[in-house]
Amino acid sequence: DAKTTQPPSMDCAEGRAANLPCNHSTISGNEYVYWYRQIHSQGPQYIIHGLKNNETNEMASLIITEDRKSSTLILPHATLRDTAVYYCIVFSGNTPLVFGKGTRLSVIA
Amino acid sequence: NAGVTQTPKFQVLKTGQSMTLQCAQDMNHNSMYWYRQDPGMGLRLIYYSASEGTTDKGEVPNGYNVSRLNKREFSLRLESAAPSQTSVYFCASSAVMNTEAFFGQGTRLTVV
Repeated sequence: DAKTTQPPSMDCAEGRAANLPCNHSTISGNEYVYWYRQIHSQGPQYIIHGLKNNETNEMASLIITEDRKSSTLILPHATLRDTAVYYCIVFSGNTPLVFGKGTRLSVIA
Repeated sequence: NAGVTQTPKFQVLKTGQSMTLQCAQDMNHNSMYWYRQDPGMGLRLIYYSASEGTTDKGEVPNGYNVSRLNKREFSLRLESAAPSQTSVYFCASSAVMNTEAFFGQGTRLTVV
């Protein structure tokens, strides 16, 4: 499975959009981009995933570049409860999820 | 709607003791996983079970054994606990390997 690169930390003002980048330049054609988050010491929570097209659900939007080498997770109106570690994972589903270090997002009042 | 349930939530063991961490899911999922998370670190995969009747090693399997008891339950056993196994253990399940995974709330294990 392809490796991902994420910034270790980011800040975002409450009520503003949080844009979390992820680089996955070695992604293969059959690999999906998945995003999870982990709030404090809880179990990780699935957010969204995509293959080629942009995706949106009630939690977030996922923008994948045309060459699929990078993506951005967008939380449209960040709240204090969105403070968490966000993991970008690229995998094909033939092997289990492998977590990197993620991005620690701090939402500031 | 319980999802993934882990027991116990907290445990303190002495070095050399054994114990089994229990995990059960009520979503009729085929695949189940065990991860550990050390302080300030990401999750590392210990073992997984792609489907009932199969188990495979992950990144850090040494010192652990697993049993896929049935489709619902996947247990993790520490035969002889060591301080290096002090960690938070998460169980997860997914319908199949390439779908979203649901995680339990974790078992916080301290080995003294």
